[in-house]
Amino acid sequence: GAVVSQHPSRVICKSGTSVKIECRSLDFQATTMFWYRQFPKKSLMLMATSNEGSKATYEQGVEKDKFLINHASLTLSTLTVTSAHPEDSSFYICSAREQGSPYGYTFGSGTRLTVV
Amino acid sequence: DAKTTQPTSMDCAEGRAANLPCNHSTISGNEYVYWYRQIHSQGPQYIIHGLKNNETNEMASLIITEDRKSSTLILPHATLRDTAVYYCIVSPPFNTDKLIFGTGTRLQVFP
Repeated sequence: GAVVSQHPSRVICKSGTSVKIECRSLDFQATTMFWYRQFPKKSLMLMATSNEGSKATYEQGVEKDKFLINHASLTLSTLTVTSAHPEDSSFYICSAREQGSPYGYTFGSGTRLTVV
Repeated sequence: DAKTTQPTSMDCAEGRAANLPCNHSTISGNEYVYWYRQIHSQGPQYIIHGLKNNETNEMASLIITEDRKSSTLILPHATLRDTAVYYCIVSPPFNTDKLIFGTGTRLQVFP
């Protein structure tokens, strides 16, 4: 079945630095990918829709200058957390759907970001 | 906003069937019911989906009421590894519309 690879699985960074998270569709092409964040014991919150070759669409309340999304190819989307602060510490998850497939979205394994 | 309502938590004894309900009273005619689960600190995993007929696969069965306003996910023989948060989501099937998660049901399978 469809596989989405997310890297890194966990990262620790210092306040003020930037962190890039990669999301790859391994065996299918994804014109659209989605980025979520999840706080402990909470549900997934959609941050943005990543569109190949165009600008991402951000959900209300999500700072697009802080969470930079690039979808440069049909198999790769990246999320860069810029000037990270401790409150950005969270679990970030990407997802994608193989075009034409009715079988739902495939999710990456998530990235645990800790900002110290 | 999520268009589904699920109980916050449920318990199930290992080896017994786990029946997880979901209310989706405002479901549209072209929307499918999808079930995902999320084991602690992992990405959500697709389980099953259906439109109006009951569905079964190697993981679970999905029972959808005739009026499609509610459904039940059945794990026939729950194991400890089925402990997870289960999400019921309604969505059209063949597009790339965003998937909105509700609060889900935290299923605890105990020995």
